[in-house]
Amino acid sequence: GAGVSQSPSNKVTEKGKDVELRCDPISGHTALYWYRQSLGQGLEFLIYFQGNSAPDKSGLPSDRFSAERTGGSVSTLTIQRTQQEDSAVYLCASTVGVNQPQHFGDGTRLSIL
Amino acid sequence: QQPVQSPQAVILREGEDAVINCSSSKALYSVHWYRQKHGEAPVFLMILLKGGEQKGHEKISASFNEKKQQSSLYLTASQLSYSGTYFCGTSQGGSEKLVFGKGTKLTVNP
Repeated sequence: GAGVSQSPSNKVTEKGKDVELRCDPISGHTALYWYRQSLGQGLEFLIYFQGNSAPDKSGLPSDRFSAERTGGSVSTLTIQRTQQEDSAVYLCASTVGVNQPQHFGDGTRLSIL
Repeated sequence: QQPVQSPQAVILREGEDAVINCSSSKALYSVHWYRQKHGEAPVFLMILLKGGEQKGHEKISASFNEKKQQSSLYLTASQLSYSGTYFCGTSQGGSEKLVFGKGTKLTVNP
């Protein structure tokens, strides 16, 4: 079956623009996570969804970041008024439940000029 | 809250063994281990739940000492394919959130 799909795979945009990153989880996976990975760094938790609800948004760096999930499936991470420090790889992962393996997508490489 | 991994990097020759440690200052419920190769997505290795049970198969195994709030990943008779960055992710009771360490870069040379 298909794995976690993220789009676009690469995004280059100018500082100040808004961007939308999309994640299509594995069918039937109820939990969905967003992480950010800067060059040579670990995985920084941003937000997770259980169904369409986001019980933990504590990792979102600022109010410029928001995310939603619809139909218990596709999720969109939106970054408004992008800054150069937002440049990173944004990874999405999905899982069937608590303490189950997380399946990662290939990520979106975001570059802010 | 972020777990601390050690060492930060290790270089091995094929066939040698390695141990990667993951420690937390908080009480842990679970520890997850992932491996990420350069330019690729992290791949799941194993999960250890509170209870200290050692898990694994063949040459990659792990232990979880809940009293010490630490986990260790054991790689024996390493292969070239083991090269990559290993991350531990930890969760506390009642939370589905995983907090990952900064990673341990493992290089296996012929």
